[in-house]
Amino acid sequence: EPEVTQTPSHQVTQMGQEVILRCVPISNHLYFYWYRQILGQKVEFLVSFYNNEISEKSEIFDDQFSVERPDGSNFTLKIRSTKLEDSAMYFCASSETEVVAGNTIYFGEGSWLTVV
Amino acid sequence: QQQVKQSPQSLIVQKGGISIINCAYENTAFDYFPWYQQFPGKGPALLIAIRPDVSEKKEGRFTISFNKSAKQFSLHIMDSQPGDSATYFCAALGGATNKLIFGTGTLLAVQP
Repeated sequence: EPEVTQTPSHQVTQMGQEVILRCVPISNHLYFYWYRQILGQKVEFLVSFYNNEISEKSEIFDDQFSVERPDGSNFTLKIRSTKLEDSAMYFCASSETEVVAGNTIYFGEGSWLTVV
Repeated sequence: QQQVKQSPQSLIVQKGGISIINCAYENTAFDYFPWYQQFPGKGPALLIAIRPDVSEKKEGRFTISFNKSAKQFSLHIMDSQPGDSATYFCAALGGATNKLIFGTGTLLAVQP
């Protein structure tokens, strides 16, 4: 079964440093997402991306965050200057079409970010 | 109004028993209600989903019951097995958005 792959699986970074989390969505999917899950809490939406631009973002996704699709296969989340509260599991996800059409959204296994 | 409330927070069930997890929502624009299963260290995986035009959907041992008037939906796991032990999240989506709103999760432990 096709899957969303994420790297790294775990990253420890100093507060204030820049972090890039990488994702390879499923190949024929057109919609890409980042969600995050703080330890022990629910999964929260960060941003959705379609046709090379952000289609929707949450209030969490402030100016410290950015997303990019640098080539035909990768989708990245950049945190410009990490804060302690950015420590969380970050999930990349993708869907073939809009989820509103009932299309399944597939999640990767996550990148665990620890900011110290 | 964007929240999805989920209960219980944790659940212990004996092998072979029925696990029931409940969710409630307020936003009447929601029209897609998936359930996700998450094992430790893994991403959420879609288990089963329902749209509000039906009151029940069954896939194997998993059933979603949906009450549109009460704005509630629930997951029933029949003949629960130790391998079902995981965290279960309900979610909702609707309106002009691709944003899934997740519930707070239920940690299910099925005892052998």
